[in-house]
Amino acid sequence: GQQLNQSPQSMFIQEGEDVSMNCTSSSIFNTWLWYKQEPGEGPVLLIALYKAGELTSNGRLTAQFGITRKDSFLNISASIPSDVGIYFCAGLGYGGSQGNLIFGKGTKLSVKP
Amino acid sequence: DTGVSQNPRHKITKRGQNVTFRCDPISEHNRLYWYRQTLGQGPEFLTYFQNEAQLEKSRLLSDRFSAERPKGSFSTLEIQRTEQGDSAMYLCASRGQGFTDTQYFGPGTRLTVL
Repeated sequence: GQQLNQSPQSMFIQEGEDVSMNCTSSSIFNTWLWYKQEPGEGPVLLIALYKAGELTSNGRLTAQFGITRKDSFLNISASIPSDVGIYFCAGLGYGGSQGNLIFGKGTKLSVKP
Repeated sequence: DTGVSQNPRHKITKRGQNVTFRCDPISEHNRLYWYRQTLGQGPEFLTYFQNEAQLEKSRLLSDRFSAERPKGSFSTLEIQRTEQGDSAMYLCASRGQGFTDTQYFGPGTRLTVL
């Protein structure tokens, strides 16, 4: 089945640093989504990408839909302590599914003040 | 607040008992999804409803699991004869009708089977 490889698995950074994480797949996806999840809560949508090559920003967050449709990355600029959490990429493939998402295993971000 | 809500937020049960969870989607969303998330993993798809029709089920949804959405609004997920391996966070998400509409998740129900 379709799987997403998300890296890095975890990151420990200093407040103010920029962060970059990515997601790759062996299959083509037609939608890429990035979510953030905090302990004991559900994932919260950060950015949605619908076209290959698309670059979208949401405040300090920027995400891109890879041109091959098999990858996506998320950048966070000037990190702050409230950025702490687990970031998940999720993909929606072509055909078959009714929109159920396939998730990566997440990147756990820790920010040191 | 008009987001997705789930009840209960936490459930502790003994092995062999039945449990039922409820999800109330965003009111204008006709599509509803259930996912399961275990520690250190991303959510995994369980089942999907469009209005009241259950259109897709994952192979993860064993015959001990049943989901309903009787009036196309709220949904319930029941697990019969719970096992310790059922311990997980059960997440519900809803989505509007448009192609570009995305899934919005509820806060989840944390199930612990003793």
